[in-house]
Amino acid sequence: DGGITQSPKYLFRKEGQNVTLSCEQNLNHDAMYWYRQDPGQGLRLIYYSQIVNDFQKGDIAEGYSVSREKKESFPLTVTSAQKNPTAFYLCASRALRTTPEQFFGPGTRLTVL
Amino acid sequence: AQTVTQSQPEMSVQEAETVTLSCTYDTSESDYYLFWYKQPPSRQMILVIRQEAYKQQNATENRFSVNFQKAAKSFSLKISDSQLGDAAMYFCAYRSDPNFGNEKLTFGTGTRLTIIP
Repeated sequence: DGGITQSPKYLFRKEGQNVTLSCEQNLNHDAMYWYRQDPGQGLRLIYYSQIVNDFQKGDIAEGYSVSREKKESFPLTVTSAQKNPTAFYLCASRALRTTPEQFFGPGTRLTVL
Repeated sequence: AQTVTQSQPEMSVQEAETVTLSCTYDTSESDYYLFWYKQPPSRQMILVIRQEAYKQQNATENRFSVNFQKAAKSFSLKISDSQLGDAAMYFCAYRSDPNFGNEKLTFGTGTRLTIIP
């Protein structure tokens, strides 16, 4: 089945530790995105990438880092510099030349203790 | 910067009835896209419907339709024959024309829809 997978579904980490969230897609989409969702708010863009080995900051990139070594994969690292990392993280992808909409993965709930 | 406003934090509707969710946005651009996404309890975001700003005809997908008023910058979602499976958070979202290279989706804060059996 084609789609976007995010793992794990739930993640717990101690304060001060870096943690990496996985996002993989087999849709052959060019662009991939990371969003953060907090209670009572819409989604906010962290980073996006339109091509391998290139990525752009979104609105709330501070304390996060990404890489795009393969077209199918766009991992997000939440560093210890992120002040409030507990949130729901959603990955999305888009086929740049065919559709304007983004398709989302199931999300990862990160809790920092 | 573009903003998206959903003024109804919560709505409820009887099963089989019709409900309309409101969305307004602010932009100085003439070409853009508008979307409604649904987020059920599983929390995965699911695309419901899309509207291109250059199209005058309102988009329709089965029981879901929009009322797009470009001059008023309004983009409401109508759900007909509401079903229990429609219960979810609904988010309105805006994005610039991709020809300008802006990949950002701007989301509203959502409307929680409850279906009453």
